[in-house]
Amino acid sequence: KNEVEQSPQNLTAQEGEFITINCSYSVGISALHWLQQHPGGGIVSLFMLSSGKKKHGRLIATINIQEKHSSLHITASHPRDSAVYICAVGYSNYQLIWGAGTKLIIKP
Amino acid sequence: EPEVTQTPSHQVTQMGQEVILRCVPISNHLYFYWYRQILGQKVEFLVSFYNNEISEKSEIFDDQFSVERPDGSNFTLKIRSTKLEDSAMYFCASEAGSNQPQHFGDGTRLSIL
Repeated sequence: KNEVEQSPQNLTAQEGEFITINCSYSVGISALHWLQQHPGGGIVSLFMLSSGKKKHGRLIATINIQEKHSSLHITASHPRDSAVYICAVGYSNYQLIWGAGTKLIIKP
Repeated sequence: EPEVTQTPSHQVTQMGQEVILRCVPISNHLYFYWYRQILGQKVEFLVSFYNNEISEKSEIFDDQFSVERPDGSNFTLKIRSTKLEDSAMYFCASEAGSNQPQHFGDGTRLSIL
């Protein structure tokens, strides 16, 4: 059974800090997703990756297939980045297994 | 930018009643999903739908649940004989093609009394 573990569960940082959120999974996957969930509940897909690294603005996602590990980085963090960041893995064509999320608070 | 829309945003229903949650996926998308998030817990996969049939379902998706795409635009989740533990946020998502990013609706908060 594929398990998805995220760390840390909660993260509070000052505006401008470099943020790293980690995700580990237990079996081979077809793709890994990073998603953002806002306090109102809405979910936005940030990245989908199966190898290497992707960058979008201040967000960077990396994955190491051999180590079954991915990281999400936020550079120059801002209070508007405050949200829950969720890692989810796909190991079949359809089903995503979701992590518990990392609650990020960026203080001004 | 096209988006996935879900209605209603909040549904309150008496235990034992049937509910239908509605979703309008992005128009040219091919894969459709329902997820559930009980308050304070992880998002859980319920079901995926492709080519007018269920392609995969989780253990949660038992005979109490059904999905339908009745008219080529709406994608509905029906929950029969609701129970208190069905109270959750239900998210619909759609995807343009296999291994593409999923696009999510804002969710329907279902409260069973």
